[in-house]
Amino acid sequence: QQQVKQSPQSLIVQKGGISIINCAYENTAFDYFPWYQQFPGKGPALLIAIRPDVSEKKEGRFTISFNKSAKQFSLHIMDSQPGDSATYFCAATTSYGKLTFGQGTILTVHP
Amino acid sequence: SQTIHQWPATLVQPVGSPLSLECTVEGTSNPNLYWYRQAAGRGLQLLFYSVGIGQISSEVPQNLSASRPQDRQFILSSKKLLLSDSGFYLCAWGSDNSPLHFGNGTRLTVT
Repeated sequence: QQQVKQSPQSLIVQKGGISIINCAYENTAFDYFPWYQQFPGKGPALLIAIRPDVSEKKEGRFTISFNKSAKQFSLHIMDSQPGDSATYFCAATTSYGKLTFGQGTILTVHP
Repeated sequence: SQTIHQWPATLVQPVGSPLSLECTVEGTSNPNLYWYRQAAGRGLQLLFYSVGIGQISSEVPQNLSASRPQDRQFILSSKKLLLSDSGFYLCAWGSDNSPLHFGNGTRLTVT
């Protein structure tokens, strides 16, 4: 019940395309859903986050879509750029507690 | 603003040697502190977390231990390293009012 399932494991997108990464969870007590971006050799950095009282949150080219009834959320990267190439992790938690992470998606954006 | 420091950035240690990795947080008090390990190409595994001085919770039984001698200091230790302890170790901090923020990690290679 604590798992967060993330897909796909890897994703290749052309520059300018849309990158979509999906996550699903089971624990209905989760109330905070962040996405982290990790570049090689660096720690994950908080990218964008959402709470279940909204269905969408947009920050620049990054958008989280949240479907509470389906217990799913996704990250959309519009106009993907080579600099977006990184590993992306979704996560879920209760009240900023311990994060349960997805397994990560390696995104490669070709120029 | 809050910052998190981890050192060293890289470490090569022989099998059977001891280990001490240190993490400190600045700009906040009574943070929740976490140690994660990331194997190559894989997700984030929570090793230990602490909600206060001297309070340590272990998530995975293993060859490692953690201590929190001061409010903003978190130490990861081992008495005798194993080959399987190689990996990327990440310290993170959070609070009731803040999501998780990661340090830049320590790349440990046990030879």
